[in-house]
Amino acid sequence: QQPVQSPQAVILREGEDAVINCSSSKALYSVHWYRQKHGEAPVFLMILLKGGEQKGHEKISASFNEKKQQSSLYLTASQLSYSGTYFCGTEMNNQGGKLIFGQGTELSVKP
Amino acid sequence: GAVVSQHPSRVICKSGTSVKIECRSLDFQATTMFWYRQFPKQSLMLMATSNEGSKATYEQGVEKDKFLINHASLTLSTLTVTSAHPEDSSFYICSATGQAHEQYFGPGTRLTVT
Repeated sequence: QQPVQSPQAVILREGEDAVINCSSSKALYSVHWYRQKHGEAPVFLMILLKGGEQKGHEKISASFNEKKQQSSLYLTASQLSYSGTYFCGTEMNNQGGKLIFGQGTELSVKP
Repeated sequence: GAVVSQHPSRVICKSGTSVKIECRSLDFQATTMFWYRQFPKQSLMLMATSNEGSKATYEQGVEKDKFLINHASLTLSTLTVTSAHPEDSSFYICSATGQAHEQYFGPGTRLTVT
């Protein structure tokens, strides 16, 4: 039950905003967001545990809808450093952190 | 904090040989670590859950006799690819779990089997 991410790819100009969605066919215990740059390991961005929860730091934030089946990642006033592939990771039950990752969204920020 | 190291970063081996990859949590104890495989332009595919002091739990379709996992201490898990073949060439990444189940990834190991 791999979560579905959309869009698959997005190209932005510096300063523009983007939204990446992550949908599951079943209710989730938690949703994680990670960013991976080419040839590197993924880096943890944030985790959402409660339906209706919203989190953020700097200009990257995320929400987890009430039914706990969808999460969205919001990138505002994008910077060149935001480029990379964004993955959502979903945990079905409290499984000690066992995640199933979406297929990824490739984000390119151009000057 | 929350640093995970992996060694080696790159390895080239001949078909039929075995390769061991080490994953260490440097500044925290990790009772659970995960091993992933990632092919180019694809997502991270979970291979197994490594639990300290017990047998690893493998995902469906992953051969446990081919991918040997040992989690001998709270800071070290190892993945051994036995009798490697070219189709095993991939990027192998480990992660260790924090208190809120967030995952901290190692830098990955690029395995090339010739």
